[in-house]
Amino acid sequence: GESVGLHLPTLSVQEGDNSIINCAYSNSASDYFIWYKQESGKGPQFIIDIRSNMDKRQGQRVTVLLNKTVKHLSLQIAATQPGDSAVYFCADHHRAGTALIFGKGTTLSVSS
Amino acid sequence: KAGVTQTPRYLIKTRGQQVTLSCSPISGHRSVSWYQQTPGQGLQFLFEYFSETQRNKGNFPGRFSGRQFSNSRSEMNVSTLELGDSALYLCASSLGQEAFFGQGTRLTVV
Repeated sequence: GESVGLHLPTLSVQEGDNSIINCAYSNSASDYFIWYKQESGKGPQFIIDIRSNMDKRQGQRVTVLLNKTVKHLSLQIAATQPGDSAVYFCADHHRAGTALIFGKGTTLSVSS
Repeated sequence: KAGVTQTPRYLIKTRGQQVTLSCSPISGHRSVSWYQQTPGQGLQFLFEYFSETQRNKGNFPGRFSGRQFSNSRSEMNVSTLELGDSALYLCASSLGQEAFFGQGTRLTVV
């Protein structure tokens, strides 16, 4: 079926470390993926996206990698900061229109 | 520019009642989507509206409905509330593919 899921519900890192959050998807027809960050009491905030014709995309301190062979994508956060503590979701665009199918989320905890 | 505005922020309702939630999208955005977020099920798509027409619908019972007005503002309604409807309801507006979310309405059904 169409689903986008995350491997781990929680991830704890030390400030300054690099963080890697993983996501597996099942729909081989998915062609657009997005990572969102949700802080407590707020709505999800767009971080970075990637299309299926790309393997890698970089933003400010974040990199998304897409492996279509194994239907896996990951979000890498460099030099993780306490302000990065949040729940991270991967999402897949719905077939028609802009509706999003979300994974369950990974809670990232950054300790000083 | 102003972001997506959802009202009210918090609601407490009794089982069997109905509720209406409101969403004002970012100016110029014509697409509005609604999502339900619960600890157990995560973020689930409810429906999407574009130019006053429902373009997509998620797998929710008919008690959940919505509409969009000519100014792109949207409302969603839940009738005959059940305890399991307690959740954070999120609205997102889009101009292209990037969706911008509001802070949500926290609905508690008692």
